[in-house]
Amino acid sequence: EAGVAQSPRYKIIEKRQSVAFWCNPISGHATLYWYQQILGQGPKLLIQFQNNGVVDDSQLPKDRFSAERLKGVDSTLKIQPAKLEDSAVYLCASSLRQTQYFGPGTRLLVL
Amino acid sequence: GENVEQHPSTLSVQEGDSAVIKCTYSDSASNYFPWYKQELGKGPQLIIDIRSNVGEKKDQRIAVTLNKTAKHFSLHITETQPEDSAVYFCAARSGTDKLIFGTGTRLQVFP
Repeated sequence: EAGVAQSPRYKIIEKRQSVAFWCNPISGHATLYWYQQILGQGPKLLIQFQNNGVVDDSQLPKDRFSAERLKGVDSTLKIQPAKLEDSAVYLCASSLRQTQYFGPGTRLLVL
Repeated sequence: GENVEQHPSTLSVQEGDSAVIKCTYSDSASNYFPWYKQELGKGPQLIIDIRSNVGEKKDQRIAVTLNKTAKHFSLHITETQPEDSAVYFCAARSGTDKLIFGTGTRLQVFP
């Protein structure tokens, strides 16, 4: 069974630029999550989708972050404009029931 | 909201020794407690989980214990091997159905 796929794996941008991350969850998993993991910390939930509807986006900085999950499968997370403090690993996870399976993450560096 | 504390932040053991990582949570409604292993440059990988109706669960060299009264849960790794070296995260699923992660424990196993 294929795991959660993410791209790109690495991205370096300058502050105030925009960036987008892509996630393809495990086939059949209705729930998709985006997490932000700052160096030395545990993952922090940004947004949770159930099929193509948002379940929880309470910790998403909506003035600069946006996410969508069209057709209830793939998802994209966008940051516009990026700030220095957005440097982190962005993890995508998916689940069928309780267990969440993570992708390899996208490492973002904002200069 | 839910808060998860994890100790120690770093742990060094000799190959063959046991390692114990402890977590506490604050939300008494939490009912699901997974443990993840994260290797450098990779996403977190689920290694074991426990639900609130169970006090202990074991899978080969890995075991997890849960004390609901004290709101503690622990990861036990026996007969440690160098390939066990990684960062380990505990997590708790809160009453709001959100997975809250601890701050991580960096385990180093010396041959």
